[in-house]
Amino acid sequence: GQSLEQPSEVTAVEGAIVQINCTYQTSGFYGLSWYQQHDGGAPTFLSYNALDGLEETGRFSSFLSRSDSYGYLLLQELQMKDSASYFCAVPRNQAGTALIFGKGTTLSVSS
Amino acid sequence: DSGVTQTPKHLITATGQRVTLRCSPRSGDLSVYWYQQSLDQGLQFLIQYYNGEERAKGNILERFSAQQFPDLHSELNLSSLELGDSALYFCASSEGGQEADGYTFGSGTRLTVV
Repeated sequence: GQSLEQPSEVTAVEGAIVQINCTYQTSGFYGLSWYQQHDGGAPTFLSYNALDGLEETGRFSSFLSRSDSYGYLLLQELQMKDSASYFCAVPRNQAGTALIFGKGTTLSVSS
Repeated sequence: DSGVTQTPKHLITATGQRVTLRCSPRSGDLSVYWYQQSLDQGLQFLIQYYNGEERAKGNILERFSAQQFPDLHSELNLSSLELGDSALYFCASSEGGQEADGYTFGSGTRLTVV
């Protein structure tokens, strides 16, 4: 089966840069996704990486290294509103199948 | 509003009871997924439907069942409820299960079993 590992907590201050890592073990690779969830809210889609390298979307970027089974989410110019949980996810067993999520990383941004 | 509608938002019920959670996917989306999120737990995949057919089952208990109707809305039925079933239940939808476009989640149903 698939499994994902990510740190449980990360703390940072406003304006800083933070990196949330995710390592995965999969029987095949069909992309790595990232989701954000504010406390008690709905998860929202942030990014998707199918190929190695960095994908940038505004203040958020996501990186993938398939050879290392590793990816990260990079958040720049942190704001208080970025305090949330961040989940990496991979398809259960092949493309188009339901996502399996990591346990999530809680990011706390302080002033 | 994400476009995925879940009802009810909150549900309090007693052990042993049965409840039904409802989900209307975003317009045009054919895939519906149900996830359970307990306190301090990640999102646990329960079941997936695509265009009315069951596509995949995850960690769904035998006491739980689901279906997707011709209008593509879905219902998750939870029976013989136990205290441990207390959790947030999310429904998500996607156009065709393509990860690149992401899933759209509803705001969830918070179930409390007392």
